[in-house]
Amino acid sequence: EAEVAQSPRYKITEKSQAVAFWCDPISGHATLYWYRQILGQGPELLVQFQDESVVDDSQLPKDRFSAERLKGVDSTLKIQPAELGDSAMYLCASSRRSGREAFFGQGTRLTVV
Amino acid sequence: GENVEQHPSTLSVQEGDSAVIKCTYSDSASNYFPWYKQELGKRPQLIIDIRSNVGEKKDQRIAVTLNKTAKHFSLHITETQPEDSAVYFCAAPNSGNTPLVFGKGTRLSVIA
Repeated sequence: EAEVAQSPRYKITEKSQAVAFWCDPISGHATLYWYRQILGQGPELLVQFQDESVVDDSQLPKDRFSAERLKGVDSTLKIQPAELGDSAMYLCASSRRSGREAFFGQGTRLTVV
Repeated sequence: GENVEQHPSTLSVQEGDSAVIKCTYSDSASNYFPWYKQELGKRPQLIIDIRSNVGEKKDQRIAVTLNKTAKHFSLHITETQPEDSAVYFCAAPNSGNTPLVFGKGTRLSVIA
């Protein structure tokens, strides 16, 4: 069964350092999402891509976060500089099209110290 | 934008009993309503979904009902088992085909 791949699974970084997460969606899925999940809460959207284009980044803190999906396949989410409040699970999900079945990767658990 | 409210936040049931989790949404244009199960330390997994052209969908012990007029949908789990213990999230698109907005989750504990 095809799965969304994410790496790394865990990341510990110091405050003010840069950190990057990678996601490879299910083959053929044009829509890719990055969600952030704080412990005990539901996932919150950071950015949505349709192919290589950003279609919703209204909740992305653009002063420190950036995301790209250059070839419309895999994607990278970067934080620079990291802050203590960024500690969370970063989940990537993909779907054939927006607003339909979304399948999640295992996530990257980020701890900022 | 879409606002999804989920209740209760925690739910404990005896093994074999039924569990019901309810969600309300605000955007009348929303037409797709999935439910996800997230076990501790794992990814959210889609367990059942419903589209706005039907009122109920069932898959073995799990069912989802939708009331578009009242803008609410519910997850029903019958004959609960300890392995049903997890956090359950409902979701709805922000508007039509836009990204899913998630509820805050319900922590279900099934007591053997």
